[in-house]
Amino acid sequence: KQEVTQIPAALSVPEGENLVLNCSFTDSAIYNLQWFRQDPGKGLTSLLLIQSSQREQTSGRLNASLDKSSGRSTLYIAASQPGDSATYLCAPQTGGFKTIFGAGTRLFVKA
Amino acid sequence: EAQVTQNPRYLITVTGKKLTVTCSQNMNHEYMSWYRQDPGLGLRQIYYSMNVEVTDKGDVPEGYKVSRKEKRNFPLILESPSPNQTSLYFCASSFGVGGYGYTFGSGTRLTVV
Repeated sequence: KQEVTQIPAALSVPEGENLVLNCSFTDSAIYNLQWFRQDPGKGLTSLLLIQSSQREQTSGRLNASLDKSSGRSTLYIAASQPGDSATYLCAPQTGGFKTIFGAGTRLFVKA
Repeated sequence: EAQVTQNPRYLITVTGKKLTVTCSQNMNHEYMSWYRQDPGLGLRQIYYSMNVEVTDKGDVPEGYKVSRKEKRNFPLILESPSPNQTSLYFCASSFGVGGYGYTFGSGTRLTVV
């Protein structure tokens, strides 16, 4: 059964810092991996989707990388802003329409 | 606008009173899924559907039912709700497995007293 671990569980940084969120998964036979953002009590917003054949995806200040063979993905956030404060979830998708979510990294960016 | 719509957004009900949470998507997605989110436990899959009339259990299906009579709709039914089903529920949809990501609804906060 796929297990997803996100490190760190929580992170507090001053505005302007570059930061890295880590996601590891045990079953490397994935179709893709998606990163989401969730604000407190709200729904999930898709940030980036990386196909299994890709190594990385970029959107604005966000860059996500995928190393399928080692079961790892990282989300890089450049020049962090207070508006980036949220919980970030990674979700690798394996066969059988199973998607297991990590517990998330709670990010707080101080102004 | 492409979206997944859940209703209601908030619901307070009493133990044992049957309820239905609706989910509808306008993207012609084949795959739909229900999740519940609880503090410390994260998102857990309840049921999913790969197409019309095709559904299967996720990790926590006990106490829930679903149906998929039309492609766009995937209601979640609680026949006899209990307090341990108090949670934040999300519906999600996708074109399918492979190169497609998920689109999530805004969530339904259910309280069973």
